[in-house]
Amino acid sequence: AQTVTQSQPEMSVQEAETVTLSCTYDTSESDYYLFWYKQPPSRQMILVIRQEAYKQQNATENRFSVNFQKAAKSFSLKISDSQLGDAAMYFCAYGRNFGNEKLTFGTGTRLTIIP
Amino acid sequence: DSGVTQTPKHLITATGQRVTLRCSPRSGDLSVYWYQQSLDQGLQFLIQYYNGEERAKGNILERFSAQQFPDLHSELNLSSLELGDSALYFCASSVDHGSSYNEQFFGPGTRLTVL
Repeated sequence: AQTVTQSQPEMSVQEAETVTLSCTYDTSESDYYLFWYKQPPSRQMILVIRQEAYKQQNATENRFSVNFQKAAKSFSLKISDSQLGDAAMYFCAYGRNFGNEKLTFGTGTRLTIIP
Repeated sequence: DSGVTQTPKHLITATGQRVTLRCSPRSGDLSVYWYQQSLDQGLQFLIQYYNGEERAKGNILERFSAQQFPDLHSELNLSSLELGDSALYFCASSVDHGSSYNEQFFGPGTRLTVL
């Protein structure tokens, strides 16, 4: 079974600084996707970024980028120029690349932005 | 707005009762997923339906059941409710393009409180 581990229950960062959230996962599959979801106080699940396992290039979306280390099964999220609106719970998730498959989530990291 | 709707937004009930949560997927999406998020935890996959048929089952209790109707909306039925069933219940939907990746779009969730 696949597992996703987020070892940082809470993180904080000064506004405009950079922060990195960690995620490790375990799978025997070779073809899969990894995701970072943001959950603000509204509780809505918002997809931040996704990475396809067969792509060596790290995904980027504006201020958000990932460091994907497939051999190490590590998938960290870097947020640059942190903004107050980035304050939220961040969940790492895994999905097998086999059409419609469930997502397996980590337990989340609560990110606080310090003005 | 993801295009996935869930009703009701909030539900307060007593132990031993039965409730029904409703989900309408995005137009054209054939798959519906149900996830449970207990307090400050990650999302746990409960069950998936595809075009009216059960496709995958996670750690869903026997007291819980779901179905997907011909118009593709889905209902999650929770019976003999216990205090520990208090949680946020998310519905997500996706299209089906065979073996390729299909993004899941999450609804706003139903907050269930069991007193």
